[in-house]
Amino acid sequence: GAVVSQHPSWVICKSGTSVKIECRSLDFQATTMFWYRQFPKQSLMLMATSNEGSKATYEQGVEKDKFLINHASLTLSTLTVTSAHPEDSSFYICSARTSSADTQYFGPGTRLTVL
Amino acid sequence: DAKTTQPTSMDCAEGRAANLPCNHSTISGNEYVYWYRQIHSQGPQYIIHGLKNNETNEMASLIITEDRKSSTLILPHATLRDTAVYYCIVRVPYGGSQGNLIFGKGTKLSVKP
Repeated sequence: GAVVSQHPSWVICKSGTSVKIECRSLDFQATTMFWYRQFPKQSLMLMATSNEGSKATYEQGVEKDKFLINHASLTLSTLTVTSAHPEDSSFYICSARTSSADTQYFGPGTRLTVL
Repeated sequence: DAKTTQPTSMDCAEGRAANLPCNHSTISGNEYVYWYRQIHSQGPQYIIHGLKNNETNEMASLIITEDRKSSTLILPHATLRDTAVYYCIVRVPYGGSQGNLIFGKGTKLSVKP
């Protein structure tokens, strides 16, 4: 199957700082990428959808000014958590969807801890 | 809201078949059934999907009832590494926002020695 990577795999930061998470499709071009968040013992919640070269579409309740998404190329999307607070601590997972097969593949996730 | 209902948890003996049920009684004619699984602290892994015919690949088999209101994912010979949360999701391929994967609570499968 197609491979999606995320970097970093984990990050610890101080409250008030910003953190950038990268998502890359390694062996395919992803016209659409997705960002999910997962709190402990809960399911994945879709945060936003981004198409290459377009502005991201955010799900209801997700602050677009806090979670900045950039999808500048067909293989890279970034999520920046701005002015992070302890309640933003979570497991962030990206996924990428091929335009041909329309199957969605997930990255390994990034665990963010905000102190 | 998720359009599927799954049991919260199931146990299976190592080497035996694991049969995971899913109800999707409100499925639309153009919606497919997808299965993903998530091993602890990892991203979800695609398993299989289908529309109305039974499907099989190297990981699993998918049996969809004739009325398409339910389906069963079958892992023919479960191993300890199959312990994970299994998600059954209905979606419209190439369906724009209707094609987004919306995760429910899934079934936690525990494979025991």
